[in-house]
Amino acid sequence: AQSVTQLDSQVPVFEEAPVELRCNYSSSVSVYLFWYVQYPNQGLQLLLKYLSGSTLVKGINGFEAEFNKSQTSFHLRKPSVHISDTAEYFCAVSYMNTGFQKLVFGTGTRLLVSP
Amino acid sequence: NAGVMQNPRHLVRRRGQEARLRCSPMKGHSHVYWYRQLPEEGLKFMVYLQKENIIDESGMPKERFSAEFPKEGPSILRIQQVVRGDSAAYFCASSPPGGISSYNEQFFGPGTRLTVL
Repeated sequence: AQSVTQLDSQVPVFEEAPVELRCNYSSSVSVYLFWYVQYPNQGLQLLLKYLSGSTLVKGINGFEAEFNKSQTSFHLRKPSVHISDTAEYFCAVSYMNTGFQKLVFGTGTRLLVSP
Repeated sequence: NAGVMQNPRHLVRRRGQEARLRCSPMKGHSHVYWYRQLPEEGLKFMVYLQKENIIDESGMPKERFSAEFPKEGPSILRIQQVVRGDSAAYFCASSPPGGISSYNEQFFGPGTRLTVL
C-alpha cells in the first residue's frame, strides 16, 4: 500500500535554531517527492520537489530536503528558522504506478517557532 | 494570472442538505484534483478529472459524493445528504495538460471549509 509517514506531529523549536522534519514513504516503484507548507486557514504552497537528479533539493524560504532512496526518506531541513516559519508542513508522494497524477500526503508536522 | 479559485470559502449545512463546492482552475489548466482534509489529518485524494472526464475516482466515497468538470465552467464537488462526518476542508488543485506519467505540478486553491450541523 502507498503510504507516507510523518512521525512528528509537532516540532517546537527556538528562533534561529536548525530544524529537521522527517518523512518516510512506502515504495516499490519510482516516486516523485514534495514538501508543502500550509499557513492557518490557507491552501498549500509548494516548498520544494524531487523529480530526478541531485538528491539534495533546495526550495523556497531557505528550506532544503534530501532524497534517500535506500531509506525511503525525504527529510526537510532548515539551518536557521524564523518565527514566520510557524506553519503545518506536509510531505507528499506521487507514484509511477498511478501515473504520478495523485498525491499521497502524510499527516503533517506542525512547526512551532518561538522567540 | 489568478490562482485556483474556490467558492464558497466557508459553507454551513444541516444534516441531510446538499453541499456544492466549486473550483475554477488556473487559466490554461485542464486537470483538476479534489482532496479532503479532515481535522488534524493530512489531505486525502478524492478524484482526478480532466475536461468532461473522470480519470481516477478511487478516493471518492461510494455514495453521496460526485464530481464533474464540464467543458465550460468550474469543477463541482457535490455532496448529497450531508452528515457530520463530512465536515472537513475540501481542497481543489489544478495542473496544466501533460502526457501520461509526466509531472504536472499541482497548484492548490485556498479550500472550502464545510461544517455540517
